Amino acid sequence: ETGVTQTPRHLVMGMTNKKSLKCEQHLGHNAMYWYKQSAKKPLELMFVYNFKEQTENNSVPSRFSPECPNSSHLFLHLHTLQPEDSALYLCASSPETGLPFVTGELFFGEGSRLTVL
Amino acid sequence: AQTVTQSQPEMSVQEAETVTLSCTYDTSENNYYLFWYKQPPSRQMILVIRQEAYKQQNATENRFSVNFQKAAKSFSLKISDSQLGDTAMYFCAFMKHPSWGKLQFGAGTQVVVTP
Repeated sequence: ETGVTQTPRHLVMGMTNKKSLKCEQHLGHNAMYWYKQSAKKPLELMFVYNFKEQTENNSVPSRFSPECPNSSHLFLHLHTLQPEDSALYLCASSPETGLPFVTGELFFGEGSRLTVL
Repeated sequence: AQTVTQSQPEMSVQEAETVTLSCTYDTSENNYYLFWYKQPPSRQMILVIRQEAYKQQNATENRFSVNFQKAAKSFSLKISDSQLGDTAMYFCAFMKHPSWGKLQFGAGTQVVVTP
């Protein structure tokens, strides 16, 4: 199994649908992240979870709802999205928690390509 | 807030040649880290190289090396002896220290290695 697995790889949804993205990491890390990657734009940090607790919400609209039931799993629940939310959503994990984050190495999944019609 | 700028949207290089990617950043922080990440067509992003701001020596990782100019806030990546597998998007990223993995990324540079 790869280190960080994301499902589904591709998702098409209407603006009134409710769907979820799933991320699972098999690296024993304690911190997990959601990033949004739009074409020709820098990656945007959305949420940070540290030991299952949300430590960062980067002014993300409430139509995106994260959930972290344990240190290995992270979800992003989607509802009433807009076409501009179409993007590649990347999950990442890292081992550092509770201390100054000193390495900066994030381990990424392959992403979930979301298209909102 | 920090900003990271990559001014080259795309670069092409022949196999075995050298290519240099530019990155500039804007910050008032004195203690920080800089990174280059690579995202191949399969989309899984991986760390290429890391530089601590307090270190004057430029980081090197096999064929990858950086030119870190702190005063100029410049952080370029040199890929030597380019290989077809180096074809990817390359992202420059900034992280102030300490942090919780909150990296600020540039928009990326697409590198295409041709035979």
